[in-house]
Amino acid sequence: DSGVTQTPKHLITATGQRVTLRCSPRSGDLSVYWYQQSLDQGLQFLIQYYNGEERAKGNILERFSAQQFPDLHSELNLSSLELGDSALYFCASSSLPGLELFFGEGSRLTVL
Amino acid sequence: AQKVTQAQTEISVVEKEDVTLDCVYETRDTTYYLFWYKQPPSGELVFLIRRNSFDEQNEISGRYSWNFQKSTSSFNFTITASQVVDSAVYFCALSETNTGNQFYFGTGTSLTVIP
Repeated sequence: DSGVTQTPKHLITATGQRVTLRCSPRSGDLSVYWYQQSLDQGLQFLIQYYNGEERAKGNILERFSAQQFPDLHSELNLSSLELGDSALYFCASSSLPGLELFFGEGSRLTVL
Repeated sequence: AQKVTQAQTEISVVEKEDVTLDCVYETRDTTYYLFWYKQPPSGELVFLIRRNSFDEQNEISGRYSWNFQKSTSSFNFTITASQVVDSAVYFCALSETNTGNQFYFGTGTSLTVIP
């Protein structure tokens, strides 16, 4: 158990819909990262937060947005969903930026 | 350009064989970290090791060992006497200080250990 909690674990929705993925980092970790992993693909970095502030942005689509709240949990919002958004979405946290990431179990999104 | 290259896409070995997973990285930073992660078929990503750029000492943990060579910008991972439970995708990663500590993951090496 990494200590990072992601909900929901599985989500099935239709094209055009909007979903919110939630992440609770390990206790004390201020940094939160979001990654997307499509079938047979590597890890695509989406966005990073540190103590509530956006720190870095990767290949995150404009239809996607995220935030980190004062209690340090983070949410990733995916809107106008397309079939190609079907993927495993990982949240990870670290005690300090640059140190090892501890990953949640992921949220598997299926868009039909 | 890829910051982390894992040239081996898939490897198959027979149980009890040794296997080395290659990782080559690219950075201009003098301070950086290197990592290995394991992703078994169940899907979770498990942290295995971190190495900082100032510590080239090789490390051994049970059947796992890591060889860090700055001269060749490589951070290779060897599994000795492989077991079926080692079957997974292994990712190498780099974090740099000059890019806000962003993480760069390789594309992964899928290891299959055949019983």
